This record gives sequence, C-alpha cells and structure tokens, in this order.
Amino acid sequence: GESVGLHLPTLSVQEGDNSIINCAYSNSASDYFIWYKQESGKGPQFIIDIRSNMDKRQGQRVTVLLNKTVKHLSLQIAATQPGDSAVYFCAENISGNTGKLIFGQGTTLQVKP
Amino acid sequence: EAQVTQNPRYLITVTGKKLTVTCSQNMNHEYMSWYRQDPGLGLRQIYYSMNVEVTDKGDVPEGYKVSRKEKRNFPLILESPSPNQTSLYFCASSLLKGGEQFFGPGTRLTVL
Repeated sequence: GESVGLHLPTLSVQEGDNSIINCAYSNSASDYFIWYKQESGKGPQFIIDIRSNMDKRQGQRVTVLLNKTVKHLSLQIAATQPGDSAVYFCAENISGNTGKLIFGQGTTLQVKP
Repeated sequence: EAQVTQNPRYLITVTGKKLTVTCSQNMNHEYMSWYRQDPGLGLRQIYYSMNVEVTDKGDVPEGYKVSRKEKRNFPLILESPSPNQTSLYFCASSLLKGGEQFFGPGTRLTVL
C-alpha cells in the first residue's frame, strides 16, 4: 500500500550544524513531493517542494534531494538554528489523483544551543 | 494576509452532540481538504473538495460530513461525535488539485 516514511523519529543537532532529514516513499507513481514544518500548536507550513522531473531543488538554507531510483527524499537544512526546531513531514502526491497528500510520520528536529 | 482560518481552535464536547468546525480561505483556491492528525498515524485525509458543490471522501470519512456551497468555505460536520473522533483537525487549501497545500492553524477536538 501507499506509505511515506521517515527514517528517524528524532534528530538532534548542534546549532550551526547542517541537518539532514530523510524520507522513503513507496509509490513509484508519486510525482510531486513537499516538505512541511510543523511547530508546536500550529498547522504544517510549506518549506519546499520538488517534482519528479528534478533531482534537486534549493531554497533559502534548505535543499531537497530526490532519488527516484531508491524512492528516497531528503531535506537538508544549512546552519541549523533554534527556530528550526519542529516536526518535519514529507508528503507525496500523484498527479491526476485526488489531490490527497500522503504524509510520513514526521521527524522531530531538536536544535541544541 | 493570505490564510486559512478555522474555528473553533479548541472544543470539548460530549458524545452525540452535533458540531461544526468552520474553515475559510481568502486565496480563491479551488481545492480544499480536511485532515486529522493522530499520534503514530500522521495526517490522514477525511474529505476533499475540488470546487464548489464538488466533494468526495478521503481515507477516513466515516462519521464526518462536509459541504462546499461557496468557494471560500468548507465546513466539517460531525453529526454524532464519538470519542474516537477526538483528534487534531486541519483544513487545507490549494490553488489546484495536486499543488502546494496551505494549512489552517488546527482545531483540537475532544469528545467525552
């Protein structure tokens, strides 16, 4: 069945270090992927997205890498800051489908000062 | 400010007492959706709407109803709430199906 999973439930990093959050997806038909950040008491907030015709996309301090061969997605955060502490979700979508996003379980990023 | 709003943000109710959670977006988005978030289960889609008067079931629609009479509003209705509907609910919208979805702040519902 469809599933999107994250490799680690919790990731702890030192402030200023780079963070890498991983996600594995199972549906090879998925062609659109999004990373969301969810802070305590708030709704998921869009970080960055990537379509399946790309393997890398960069934003401000964030980079998403897509490896379709092994169905793997990663989010890299450069120079991690305390404000980056949150739960991060990857989500997948299939074009032509219902528009439903299939979410992974989430990784909690803890940034140590 | 472009946003998705939900009301109420918190609600404690009793089994069987009908309730409605409102959702409104001011971005003229066609696609709207409701999700519930539960520990260990992540976010799961309840219902979605591709446009006015067009709604359909998501993965966990049992016990819920929705309506889409206007483009901006997408209320979630629990006709007879039960304790297993205790959850954190999110409304989301996107310009088109399959695009980036913007989420509301969430409604924490407790059914006793």
